[in-house]
Amino acid sequence: QLQLQESGPGLVKPSETLSLTCTVSGGSISSSNHYWGWIRQPPGKGLEWIGSIYYSGSTYYNPSLKSRVIISIDTSKNQFSLKLSSVTAADTAVYYCARNTNGYVGFDYWGQGTLVTVSS
Amino acid sequence: SYELTQPPSVSVSPGQTASITCSGDKLGDKYACWYQQKPGQSPVLVIYQNTKRPSGIPERFSGSNSGNTATLTISGTQAMDEADYYCQAWDSTTVVFGGGTKLTVL
Repeated sequence: QLQLQESGPGLVKPSETLSLTCTVSGGSISSSNHYWGWIRQPPGKGLEWIGSIYYSGSTYYNPSLKSRVIISIDTSKNQFSLKLSSVTAADTAVYYCARNTNGYVGFDYWGQGTLVTVSS
Repeated sequence: SYELTQPPSVSVSPGQTASITCSGDKLGDKYACWYQQKPGQSPVLVIYQNTKRPSGIPERFSGSNSGNTATLTISGTQAMDEADYYCQAWDSTTVVFGGGTKLTVL
């Protein structure tokens, strides 16, 4: 059974960079059939797609966040990562990593999510 | 940028049919999917490619997509179906979520 697990600091100071890693187990991140994505959800609000990455390293970002986001992949560790720079309180959210299967299937496996709070 | 619009809330009586809509410009020309999210849990994919159900999703969940509107229909709604529901589509290589609909079963 595929599992995804987010890890990283739960508290980040304003203007600093938020860094999270998603570790995939029970399957290979190098699959040509899948993309790997980050989605966030501010407390009490809806889902927002941050971006996705293919095993080859090709990336796709939300235009509204593109200037601050870097998503990378490490196939040797079966992990992919998120960096969001210049954070503010508005970036406080539960951050999810998820698998997106090719062919417009959607995000079919999700991590449990991790709350990141931006505060001094 | 592409936008998907959902009603904030929908109410349904147990055993009745619930319909949740998702509107977007020429949405029927795209693929839509739907997620269910219960409090404190991660979203779960319940419909993909407009009409298909992933393994393990009950048959009472169905979907359609035509014109500017995709619809998630829950037949014989049960108390366990009370949750937030999100539609999602692709605009070229960009993933777009709707704002979410809170389904209340009362």
